[in-house]
Amino acid sequence: DAGVIQSPRHEVTEMGQEVTLRCKPISGHDYLFWYRQTMMRGLELLIYFNNNVPIDDSGMPEDRFSAKMPNASFSTLKIQPSEPRDSAVYFCASNPGTSGDTQYFGPGTRLTVL
Amino acid sequence: GNSVTQMEGPVTLSEEAFLTINCTYTATGYPSLFWYVQYPGEGLQLLLKATKADDKGSNKGFEATYRKETTSFHLEKGSVQVSDSAVYFCALPDTGRRALTFGSGTRLQVQP
Repeated sequence: DAGVIQSPRHEVTEMGQEVTLRCKPISGHDYLFWYRQTMMRGLELLIYFNNNVPIDDSGMPEDRFSAKMPNASFSTLKIQPSEPRDSAVYFCASNPGTSGDTQYFGPGTRLTVL
Repeated sequence: GNSVTQMEGPVTLSEEAFLTINCTYTATGYPSLFWYVQYPGEGLQLLLKATKADDKGSNKGFEATYRKETTSFHLEKGSVQVSDSAVYFCALPDTGRRALTFGSGTRLQVQP
């Protein structure tokens, strides 16, 4: 299996622009998670899905952030408009569900908002 | 809710030294405990896990024992290598939801 796939790996944008991050979970995994990693706050859970349905979005920082999972093999995290404080590494992770609670992480997207 | 505290870094060691990274937890019941490792420029990888009290997880020469008496899950390795230089995260499941709660991470630097 290819593991969790994220794109792009690096994104540099200007303040006010829309940013879309993409994730393909491991095939057959029922859960998908979006995390953000910063030096100041460490790893934070933003939102997670079960069978394509958002279960908990309490970690989404504000209305500028939105996430979707239109099917079992694809999810997006969108920031509109982006701000410099959104600069971070964004990780997607997936979990098989019934067979355990181990999470498998993608390589991350490093976002820089100028 | 469940939480984890791990020692702050960076930890700097010489090659072949003994490594301990401390992790203590607060949890309801006895959830699984995890160590993840993040190499420079990469995502987090599962290093090892333990699913119940007194279990020992091991992988790549690393070990950690689930100790309910001391609510600890310390990571150890007998002889570190330069290639072990990374950030190590202790983690456990959130209370009442599927996500994991991570410690702040401990950066390990191994010098030749």
